[in-house]
Amino acid sequence: DSGVTQTPKHLITATGQRVTLRCSPRSGDLSVYWYQQSLDQGLQFLIHYYNGEERAKGNILERFSAQQFPDLHSELNLSSLELGDSALYFCASSGLAGGNEQYFGPGTRLTVT
Amino acid sequence: QQQVKQSPQSLIVQKGGISIINCAYENTAFDYFPWYQQFPGKGPALLIAIRPDVSEKKEGRFTISFNKSAKQFSLHIMDSQPGDSATYFCAASRASGGSYIPTFGRGTSLIVHP
Repeated sequence: DSGVTQTPKHLITATGQRVTLRCSPRSGDLSVYWYQQSLDQGLQFLIHYYNGEERAKGNILERFSAQQFPDLHSELNLSSLELGDSALYFCASSGLAGGNEQYFGPGTRLTVT
Repeated sequence: QQQVKQSPQSLIVQKGGISIINCAYENTAFDYFPWYQQFPGKGPALLIAIRPDVSEKKEGRFTISFNKSAKQFSLHIMDSQPGDSATYFCAASRASGGSYIPTFGRGTSLIVHP
């Protein structure tokens, strides 16, 4: 158990809908990274937050957004969902802003029908 | 553009054998090279990592070999066990504006037969 929690574990929704994925980092970790894992794209970095501030963006679509709250939990919002958004979404936490040891949560499996 | 190439895509090894997974990278700015292990239904777990100033790092049965000039690194699993059956990802990271962003290989599915 990495100490990172993610909810929900599974999510099934229809195209065009909006969903919110939640991540709680390990106790004391200030950094949260979000990743998307799919069969065709592999594991891709989406966005990084440190202590409430956005620090870096990767291949994140404009339909996707994220935030990190004062209690350090983070949410990833996916809107106008398309079939191709079906994937596993992981968050990872790190103790430092530029911390290279990242601890992954169990993921949320999103299925868009 | 695939910046980290991982091979093989799948690997079958007998119990007690050596599993070897290779990765190659292009960007010389990468300065941290972790390996992750992922079991079905779970998130990736950091297994072992190396920095380019070291040519080899060993932790238990897991060893990373690093060749900076060739821009290649590999994971060796000695005395492979059925419990090692999982997907392994290499990654290459570099610091960028206060973030450490990894670029992952496509993964290797390892099966260790008893």
